Amino acid sequence: QFLLTQPPSVSGAPGQRVTVSCSGGSSNIGAPSDVHWYGQFRGSAPQLLIYENDNRPSGVPDRFSASKSGSSASLTITGLQSEDEGDYYCQSFDRDLGFWIFGGGTRLTVL
Amino acid sequence: QVQIVQSAAEVKKPGASVRLSCKASGFPFTYYTMHWVRQAPGQGLEAVGWVYPASGRTELTPKFQGRVAITRDTPAGMTYLELTRLTTEDTAVYYCARRGQTESGYSSGWLDSWGQGTLVSVSS
Repeated sequence: QFLLTQPPSVSGAPGQRVTVSCSGGSSNIGAPSDVHWYGQFRGSAPQLLIYENDNRPSGVPDRFSASKSGSSASLTITGLQSEDEGDYYCQSFDRDLGFWIFGGGTRLTVL
Repeated sequence: QVQIVQSAAEVKKPGASVRLSCKASGFPFTYYTMHWVRQAPGQGLEAVGWVYPASGRTELTPKFQGRVAITRDTPAGMTYLELTRLTTEDTAVYYCARRGQTESGYSSGWLDSWGQGTLVSVSS
């Protein structure tokens, strides 16, 4: 259904590292198109975590990092904290659709 | 600082239309593309469209073409989203967001500032 595929859920204990994957194809991530990442916490509006594949906006902790390779991308959170619990979305531009698309989202649970 | 404030929640019946507003401040509104993104209850994010205030140029995700219009009032720092022929599937929170850009004006589409969202409920 989604052109960008994310796992529905991931989990980790406080202090651990977790990775959220985002798998696309030759018309989007692999085109290549940049990947951006957002977090949505406690029912609030999404907030930008990573832009242009691996850039962190000011104010985002350096525990958040991301990478891109081929048609896939991943977001890594190290030193997991309880406030990291929420939903994470990847975004990219799809050249066949001619518009930006989001992944289906991944729910992170901090155990 | 950048602020994006959206209008209050709306309750509509199927077949009706709704117009949402978004007030931006704290940055040169004219030269930043403004996007609309929606989120159905318990679902993910879905791009709706965008407007470039300086020119008024808009683009809509294909599924919304013909049913959605995005406009702007540049002096007022406002952007508007109008949805027509509403169905229950349009029930969602609609977000207004600013497209980020580098100092040279380049952007590959990241959204760096978001409004609080407007809930649109469509029910008979």
